[in-house]
Formats: sequence, structure tokens, C-alpha cells
Amino acid sequence: SAVISQKPSRDICQRGTSLTIQCQVDSQVTMMFWYRQQPGQSLTLIATANQGSEATYESGFVIDKFPISRPNLTFSTLTVSNMSPEDSSIYLCSVRQGSNEQYFGPGTRLTVT
Amino acid sequence: RKEVEQDPGPFNVPEGATVAFNCTYSNSASQSFFWYRQDCRKEPKLLMSVYSSGNEDGRFTAQLNRASQYISLLIRDSKLSDSATYLCVVNPSKAAGNKLTFGGGTRVLVKP
Repeated sequence: SAVISQKPSRDICQRGTSLTIQCQVDSQVTMMFWYRQQPGQSLTLIATANQGSEATYESGFVIDKFPISRPNLTFSTLTVSNMSPEDSSIYLCSVRQGSNEQYFGPGTRLTVT
Repeated sequence: RKEVEQDPGPFNVPEGATVAFNCTYSNSASQSFFWYRQDCRKEPKLLMSVYSSGNEDGRFTAQLNRASQYISLLIRDSKLSDSATYLCVVNPSKAAGNKLTFGGGTRVLVKP
């Protein structure tokens, strides 16, 4: 399976600021996704990061709040904009290679104060 | 009704015992099924895919029942290290594209 790294691993941010999370994969992958996991909850898909084009967002998530970039097949960023305490969560990058099986990065633990 | 439902547990299991739990899904056209394991404060890790004929990987056995729309996971000879949250994951249908749907997870606690 692909090796996925995320930066930062955790951060504490003030409300109103923005944080960009990076996801790096050690091999080219066809699909990359961004998920959120709030405390005690399961995973919720934010968007599919499309290489060279705009991301595809799920219901309840918008580009202005969660801009995503994917400049190539091994890298993507997710920005959490104008943060509020409700954005405190774990943000996970995920990739799929060919088959249906999907793998997750170690996550970024965000706390907004 | 949620698309993917799991008993949240916790299932308290004596070490060495067998534990089994199910996950139900609402979309009869669902294509693919998986079990993931998530340890506390860690990312989900793929445990096994679930095939129509059922499959076994060591002490873990997964079954799919399409008629009743559920999948199951059985853990034999439980180890302390099996303590985790087990996530049921479904690829709903071709129309849903490649988007997986996650259950809320079943927490398993293996005790000495």
C-alpha cells in the first residue's frame, strides 16, 4: 500500500485564521480524498481532490471554506479557512490505487480556540 | 435510516474468546465492503475486504449476506491487541462513484 504523510500532525489555531494541511504520497495514486473525523464520530468525506481541476465537494462542504489543491498525482493540500471552534477535528487524507481499497494518512489533529 | 449502521458497543471480550458483530447497509446495490480497524487517536487501517463468498485472514473471518444486507466480522482467540474500534465501510453503488460510506464503528475491548 502507499505510504502517506501529512503535515502538520497537529496544530492549535485561533478562530478566524486559516490552516493548510499537506498530504504527500510516496507513489502516484489515481484518487485522493479528504475526510474529517470529529470527536467520537466516524469519518465524513469532505471532498475528492482532482488532479489538475477543482475538487468535488460533498454536501455541506464548500470550496470557500475548504479550498483544496492537487497539483500532481502525489500531493494535495486542504485549507481550513476562517476557522471556528466547530472546525476542531481530525482531518485525514486518503488515497486509492486502482483497486477499491483505500488507505489513510496519519491525520492532522486541529484544535481551534 | 443511516446508510451503514453498527452497534457501537463496547463489546467486552475475555482474552481468548470469540467475538462477532454485524453491520447493516441500506443500499441493496452496494458494490464493495470492507472492515477497517481504528486504534485510539490513530488513522483507520484496512483490516480486510469482504467478498461474496466470505473470507478469512488468520483469526478474522468476514461474511457478506446480501439477502439481509449485512456484513459480519468474527474474531477468534481474541488478543489484548485486538482492542480497537472496527469500522464497517461500504461502497454504496456505481452511481455513488468511488465514495465510501463509513459506519459509526463498533468498539471492542479485550480484557485479560
